[in-house]
Amino acid sequence: DTGVSQDPRHKITKRGQNVTFRCDPISEHNRLYWYRQTLGQGPEFLTYFQNEAQLEKSRLLSDRFSAERPKGSFSTLEIQRTEQGDSAMYLCASSLGGLTNEQFFGPGTRLTVL
Amino acid sequence: GENVEQHPSTLSVQEGDSAVIKCTYSDSASNYFPWYKQELGKRPQLIIDIRSNVGEKKDQRIAVTLNKTAKHFSLHITETQPEDSAVYFCAARTDSWGKLQFGAGTQVVVTP
Repeated sequence: DTGVSQDPRHKITKRGQNVTFRCDPISEHNRLYWYRQTLGQGPEFLTYFQNEAQLEKSRLLSDRFSAERPKGSFSTLEIQRTEQGDSAMYLCASSLGGLTNEQFFGPGTRLTVL
Repeated sequence: GENVEQHPSTLSVQEGDSAVIKCTYSDSASNYFPWYKQELGKRPQLIIDIRSNVGEKKDQRIAVTLNKTAKHFSLHITETQPEDSAVYFCAARTDSWGKLQFGAGTQVVVTP
C-alpha cells in the first residue's frame, strides 16, 4: 500500500496516561499535517511539518501535545496526561507541495480516553 | 483566521436527482478550495478542487463553482447514485503551506 498509513488504528487509554501515534506519509511527500476530527465535525488543523521542521502549530494544541518528524519521513504525535476531551480521530495527511498541494489522508487513529 | 461554514448539514435526495452543497469562507486571501468525501469509517478523499483564478470546474457528474466576490463555493452532484452517500467536506486554504480549514460537513443520503 503506497498511501498514508497510521498506527495504531484504535487506542483506548485511561485518563492521565500518555499515548503516542505514528504516521507514515507517502514516500516522496515532504509536507505532513496532523488534524483532529470529532464526531459530526470536519478535521481541525493541529500542526504542520515541512521535511523535519515543524512550521506551524495550532492554538488548539495545548502543551500536552507534541509532534516530531525527526528525519523528515514518519511523524509521531504524543499526548501527555490524556483527558476525556482528547477523545477523537487523529488524522495525518501528506502532500508534495506545488500549486494545489493536494493532501492525502491516512485512515486515522481513533483515541478513546476513559 | 479563516472560517468556513457549510450548509446543509444533512441532505436527502432521490437517486438520479441533483445534490448541491454550499460553503462560505471569511478570508478573502483564501486561494484553494478542495472538496473531500468521507465514507463511514474511512479516510477523507479528495473528489474535486478549484483554485481562486477559476470560476467553475467539472469532472463527470461532479462540479464546483466559486464566487470570489461573495466568498462562497458550491459542490454540485448530478444524477446521484447510492454510492454517492457519504459525508462531504468543503475546505479553504489561505497560506502557502497548505493548512486547510474545513467546514462541518454535509451528510448526503441517496435513496434508491
